[in-house]
Amino acid sequence: DAGVTQSPTHLIKTRGQQVTLRCSPKSGHDTVSWYQQALGQGPQFIFQYYEEEERQRGNFPDRFSGHQFPNYSSELNVNALLLGDSALYLCASSLAGGHGETQYFGPGTRLLVL
Amino acid sequence: QQPVQSPQAVILREGEDAVINCSSSKALYSVHWYRQKHGEAPVFLMILLKGGEQKGHEKISASFNEKKQQSSLYLTASQLSYSGTYFCGTRGTSYGKLTFGQGTILTVHP
Repeated sequence: DAGVTQSPTHLIKTRGQQVTLRCSPKSGHDTVSWYQQALGQGPQFIFQYYEEEERQRGNFPDRFSGHQFPNYSSELNVNALLLGDSALYLCASSLAGGHGETQYFGPGTRLLVL
Repeated sequence: QQPVQSPQAVILREGEDAVINCSSSKALYSVHWYRQKHGEAPVFLMILLKGGEQKGHEKISASFNEKKQQSSLYLTASQLSYSGTYFCGTRGTSYGKLTFGQGTILTVHP
C-alpha cells in the first residue's frame, strides 16, 4: 500500500522565480492538503483540495496556488519566490468522510530560496 | 488560533513516563497527535474525536476533555525510539485544516 509521495525532495531557487511541487495521495484517499513548515515550527495550513476544487484556504497570499487532478494528485505552485518561502512543504492526504478525516503526511519537499 | 502545548521540551531516561498537554481556546471537534523526527515528515499517532474518548496505541495513549478543550498524550515506559517532536493538531469542524501547536521536543536517553 503506497503512502503519500512528493517530488522533488529538495529544491533550490532564487528570489522571484516560480516553483511547482507535486504530491500523490495515499491509495484510496481523495483529499489533499498542503502545509508549510518553517524550521522549529509546527506545520501551517496553506489549502486543501477535494473533488478538484479548493475546499479551504489558510492565510497565505495569492502567490500560492494549487491544483488537483482527476486522479487525486495535486500540485502546489508558488510565484515570485521570497526568501521567507524557504521551508519544508508537506502534503497530507485523507479520505473525505473517513474517520475524523485523518491526514497522513508525505516526506515533504525542502525548498531553499536564495 | 494556535493550540498551546506544554511542556516545550522534556528529557527522559528509558523507561520513564511523560505527559504532553495541548490546550485550545476554541471549541474542538477533534485532536490529532503526530510525532516528527528530525528531517522527516510528521507521523500520525492517533486521533481523538469530541466525546471525551481515550485511545491507546501500544504504550502511548491520549485523552480529550471536550469541556476544557484540552488533550493529553501519555507516553509510558519510554523507549529511545520515542524521541522526536510531538505536535497536536486541532480542528473545529469535521473536515478541513489542522491547526498545529508549536511542538514538544521529547528526548529519551539510555
